[in-house]
Amino acid sequence: GDSVTQMEGPVTLSEEAFLTINCTYTATGYPSLFWYVQYPGEGLQLLLKATKADDKGSNKGFEATYRKETTSFHLEKGSVQVSDSAVYFCALETSYDKVIFGPGTSLSVIP
Amino acid sequence: DAGVTQSPTHLIKTRGQHVTLRCSPISGHKSVSWYQQVLGQGPQFIFQYYEKEERGRGNFPDRFSARQFPNYSSELNVNALLLGDSALYLCASSLVRGEEKLFFGSGTQLSVL
Repeated sequence: GDSVTQMEGPVTLSEEAFLTINCTYTATGYPSLFWYVQYPGEGLQLLLKATKADDKGSNKGFEATYRKETTSFHLEKGSVQVSDSAVYFCALETSYDKVIFGPGTSLSVIP
Repeated sequence: DAGVTQSPTHLIKTRGQHVTLRCSPISGHKSVSWYQQVLGQGPQFIFQYYEKEERGRGNFPDRFSARQFPNYSSELNVNALLLGDSALYLCASSLVRGEEKLFFGSGTQLSVL
């Protein structure tokens, strides 16, 4: 069945470090891909999305490129801030509003 | 504008009881989805409702049911609670079905003792 795998955390980085969170997926057809973020004490928020191969989603300095050939959607940011500390979920949508989430990667950024 | 609101925020039940969770979507949103998030895991899809009809169902037992009302609010019901039902239950709404942007509420934390 359809699934999402992402790198295990927790990830701890110093402020201004480069961030990569790996995400790979298995799906039939051509899913849309997403990164959601869950800040402490808050609900899930859509961070970025890509709907077709080679699309690049970007928001708040984060980027991810839909790579169909490697079935990947890795999240990157050039310089993380303390305020980026959160849990990040890679996800795919196989049908209307049915989103399959990865297990999440916890990120802690220290000053 | 109010976001997706869920009630209650926290709930404690005992095994065998039933529970009703409530969700009010963003004004104008007609699609509501429910997700279960067990601690340390990603959310799992339970149901999706659009225009008061069930349009999708995840791999959950029949103890789980839901409905959507004419004002597009929704209820999730769980009967015969098990310890394993302890989780954060999330509601998400979208403007139209398949809009690909879900807005999530903060969830209801259910503890089953």
